[in-house]
Amino acid sequence: GAVVSQHPSWVICKSGTSVKIECRSLDFQATTMFWYRQFPKQSLMLMATSNEGSKATYEQGVEKDKFLINHASLTLSTLTVTSAHPEDSSFYICSARDPTGSRANSPLHFGNGTRLTVT
Amino acid sequence: KNEVEQSPQNLTAQEGEFITINCSYSVGISALHWLQQHPGGGIVSLFMLSSGKKKHGRLIATINIQEKHSSLHITASHPRDSAVYICAVRDQFYFGTGTSLTVIP
Repeated sequence: GAVVSQHPSWVICKSGTSVKIECRSLDFQATTMFWYRQFPKQSLMLMATSNEGSKATYEQGVEKDKFLINHASLTLSTLTVTSAHPEDSSFYICSARDPTGSRANSPLHFGNGTRLTVT
Repeated sequence: KNEVEQSPQNLTAQEGEFITINCSYSVGISALHWLQQHPGGGIVSLFMLSSGKKKHGRLIATINIQEKHSSLHITASHPRDSAVYICAVRDQFYFGTGTSLTVIP
């Protein structure tokens, strides 16, 4: 079964509203989670690294005020798309690192993604 | 130039064929992932490897750290193998553009 749960799986919202996406690790505590964005026919792009109890690390070109990340517990990270615009429409995916084993060998588990459509 | 290059971009095979997908990377890594993404978008991590070869069922992944190259092989391919296969370099999370595989019955 899934070890990382992402919710919602799809959402449609109006331009200007904010949308929150949740990523939960079900079978392990994840000190680190990752958020990606995927445009149609393209591969994943890492947006940010979410660290439990501290600020997220954003990749170059990703607006931290636009994409708010909160990792308040060891099993939950949230991505909030603020003041969404049609260009924010995309597929957003999270992953979490299972900390068992050494850091170099801890596997990644992915959520099933959230398809956001901003009208 | 992408840090991770995959080939081919698209691949159509007949059921039962042996399939190879290649991945070359230009950055230093400690491990490389092969991921499978189904049409609905969900991603499954198939392999994480840092050296040599790993096998799981009909899937085999190899990596040559010196040559910065990895291959994913599928033996006796089946229509349910149809998906996008993505190579990901772990440390910096660079992703290949994926290989779209279609296996025809």
